[in-house]
Amino acid sequence: DTGVSQDPRHKITKRGQNVTFRCDPISEHNRLYWYRQTLGQGPEFLTYFQNEAQLEKSRLLSDRFSAERPKGSFSTLEIQRTEQGDSAMYLCASSQGTSGIGKYFGPGTRLTVT
Amino acid sequence: TQLLEQSPQFLSIQEGENLTVYCNSSSVFSSLQWYRQEPGEGPVLLVTVVTGGEVKKLKRLTFQFGDARKDSSLHITAAQPGDTGLYLCAGEAWNAGNMLTFGGGTRLMVKP
Repeated sequence: DTGVSQDPRHKITKRGQNVTFRCDPISEHNRLYWYRQTLGQGPEFLTYFQNEAQLEKSRLLSDRFSAERPKGSFSTLEIQRTEQGDSAMYLCASSQGTSGIGKYFGPGTRLTVT
Repeated sequence: TQLLEQSPQFLSIQEGENLTVYCNSSSVFSSLQWYRQEPGEGPVLLVTVVTGGEVKKLKRLTFQFGDARKDSSLHITAAQPGDTGLYLCAGEAWNAGNMLTFGGGTRLMVKP
């Protein structure tokens, strides 16, 4: 069991550039979540997938953000035209099935927009 | 919108002391999860409580889910420096996605 992995761990980009992050969930998990965490706060939900279907998106997810999970395995989160307010830790989590099952988080991707 | 409030936000104690962290909401959750997070890392799941009134113990940590499933507490006995970290509670929604709503976290520092 290799756990949830995320790549890259750190990304520094200039305002206006596009960035893409990758998440590899635990292999048997059918649900994949993206969260964003700013300094001193708890994580905030962005979006989630069940298998390859994106079933829920937060209002936090502006039209500059897009997420995919093409084959129901890994997922990517792309931010277009980055803004300084996008600087945060982007966390991916996965779980299997139903309520009451804990979610397993990856180490996160720390984004800094200069 | 479901909100979770954690208290205290910060706690600095000496090794060997006991402490309790509270997580409160006006909303009912299907389950409540506690995580611990180190700087620069993702949250690590400690426990999930599902039944109202449930108590779970993990070594020196005791977790309780309120009878009405709106609140929870984490009690640490004889804290050690290794317990230092950010403790997050998260309520699981009843909807199909079971998304988590996180509290703001309690930053604990245990001094030797």
